[in-house]
Amino acid sequence: EVQLVQSGAEVKKPGESLKISCKGSGYIFTNYWIAWVRQMPGKGLEWMGSIYPGDSDTRYSPSFQGQVTISADKSISTAYLQWSSLKASDTAFYYCARQLMVTTNFDYWGQGTLVTVSS
Amino acid sequence: NFMLTQPHSVSESPGKTVTISCTRSSGSIASNYVQWYQQRPGSAPTTVIYEDKQRPSGVPDRFSGSIDSSSNSASLTISGLKTEDEADYYCQSYDGNNPVVFGGGTKLTVL
Repeated sequence: EVQLVQSGAEVKKPGESLKISCKGSGYIFTNYWIAWVRQMPGKGLEWMGSIYPGDSDTRYSPSFQGQVTISADKSISTAYLQWSSLKASDTAFYYCARQLMVTTNFDYWGQGTLVTVSS
Repeated sequence: NFMLTQPHSVSESPGKTVTISCTRSSGSIASNYVQWYQQRPGSAPTTVIYEDKQRPSGVPDRFSGSIDSSSNSASLTISGLKTEDEADYYCQSYDGNNPVVFGGGTKLTVL
């Protein structure tokens, strides 16, 4: 059974760093892209970027380029999304999702990680 | 960059049929596949339609997708509405410069 299991909710202060994770199982991790999708409170879905763990090829949305870093450790089938300096506006749910190619359907989703940034 | 525009909300009664549109601002809707996702409150999205009109296993045939080149739009049609269909629905597509573009989402209320 394909599963994407994300790390738990986080509460951080502005300026702090953070790295959240998404562990894949039930499939060959290096054969699929992993995307990160943001959903701000009461708002829609926004694609942040995608990584291909097989060769670490990474694509970013222009809106998020330079704001976050997407990485993966294929040895433990885990993708990451990290911030070096959080802002209150980063408060959101973050979902990881699997794609066969960077342009194709998100066929499996993680359960989401709520990140709250507040002083 | 292109945009996908959806109605903010739609509502219909149980047992009826509802159609949600997704209009592409530039470029042909038929050039790149469209996906549709359902997001129930408090849950992650799931796919209800992929590649314009394909249904994943487990999605009832009450859900169907189509493309209309004349209006440059995609549509998600849900027939025999059930209260469990009440959710937010998002369309998604791409082009050569934009790997992933989401529509703004449509809130479906089944009254």
